[in-house]
Amino acid sequence: SQKIEQNSEALNIQEGKTATLTCNYTNYSPAYLQWYRQDPGRGPVFLLLIRENEKEKRKERLKVTFDTTLKQSLFHITASQPADSATYLCAFSLNTGFQKLVFGTGTRLLVSP
Amino acid sequence: DAMVIQNPRYQVTQFGKPVTLSCSQTLNHNVMYWYQQKSSQAPKLLFHYYDKDFNNEADTPDNFQSRRPNTSFCFLDIRSPGLGDAAMYLCATSRGTGENTEAFFGQGTRLTVV
Repeated sequence: SQKIEQNSEALNIQEGKTATLTCNYTNYSPAYLQWYRQDPGRGPVFLLLIRENEKEKRKERLKVTFDTTLKQSLFHITASQPADSATYLCAFSLNTGFQKLVFGTGTRLLVSP
Repeated sequence: DAMVIQNPRYQVTQFGKPVTLSCSQTLNHNVMYWYQQKSSQAPKLLFHYYDKDFNNEADTPDNFQSRRPNTSFCFLDIRSPGLGDAAMYLCATSRGTGENTEAFFGQGTRLTVV
């Protein structure tokens, strides 16, 4: 079955550094991959969507890459701030007649001042 | 302005007592989803609607049912909640297919079963 894997261990970094989070997927070739931010006790919030024919997408301090050969997406936050501390989830939609969104477990990011 | 609204934010129910969670949207989106999320786990899709077409996930227990009476509203009914059903329940919407699968989530309903 289709699977999304994200590093379950929290990522701790110093303020100002670049955070890099990894999302790997198997048994599927998504046309689109998405990244979400989730704060404790709240619903996920959409950040970025990248298409399979795009190598890279940027939005302010965020950058996402999509390598369909490696079946991997990387999510970067540059000049990280304590306010960036949250869990980041990757997701893709399965085109099985209905479009349904499948999520990874997320990686918790902690940015220290 | 809230676009996907879930009520209530917190729900306590007794073991075996039916409970209904509600979701409404002001986005006029075609797709509505219900996810279950337990601590430190991925949101798990229970079912979704594309307009009135309902799609149940194969591993969603029969104990869970859903209704979508119109575009704006969707309900999650848990017929006989067990202790294992305690979780955050998330409702989300999207416009539809391809690039339009960006999901908008509500704040979630935290369900406690006692």
